[in-house]
Amino acid sequence: DTEVTQTPKHLVMGMTNKKSLKCEQHMGHRAMYWYKQKAKKPPELMFVYSYEKLSINESVPSRFSPECPNSSLLNLHLHALQPEDSALYLCASSRGQGSYEQYFGPGTRLTVT
Amino acid sequence: GENVEQHPSTLSVQEGDSAVIKCTYSDSASNYFPWYKQELGKGPQLIIDIRSNVGEKKDQRIAVTLNKTAKHFSLHITETQPEDSAVYFCAALLAGGTSYGKLTFGQGTILTVHP
Repeated sequence: DTEVTQTPKHLVMGMTNKKSLKCEQHMGHRAMYWYKQKAKKPPELMFVYSYEKLSINESVPSRFSPECPNSSLLNLHLHALQPEDSALYLCASSRGQGSYEQYFGPGTRLTVT
Repeated sequence: GENVEQHPSTLSVQEGDSAVIKCTYSDSASNYFPWYKQELGKGPQLIIDIRSNVGEKKDQRIAVTLNKTAKHFSLHITETQPEDSAVYFCAALLAGGTSYGKLTFGQGTILTVHP
């Protein structure tokens, strides 16, 4: 089973709202990733957590705040977003320990109005 | 940093034909090369990958070849079917020293298979 689940599927939020995206995997993977994907473009890495510690932040604005409460869960907290932040937000996971296959979830389609 | 170029950007074939997508990478130290298929409204799906100590890998109708000297790798799909229509992304990763991997993606190829 290589399933990564994400909720919600769609999210519409105003620029003053606070919302959260959720990602879950039960494969025992120890690395989890957030990507942003604009239409007709490849995914762009935002954050990497390895063994529940933030390992990479790709200079992402502070209005995006990641959290890894445990080895199965990854959250992305959103606050004061801009319309240009509208995109598909993808979560991925990999086993770690020398295994680099990344498995993606279906994504959350975010629209900022 | 790593740079991955992918060609063509669009590819149209008839059902039953073969399709080939090519990628080049810049960092000779990269050693893991996955291919992803992304259908409309879905997340990328890992379809095949290859490590730098292997020259070719096959899985039913799909195969990937790697030329380390030339720093390029290719995806080959034989006997294409309409359900192969999707966006395909290649990627490269420099693996080693960490428990996670930072993928660098190509720009994607829109494959259309006509019945």
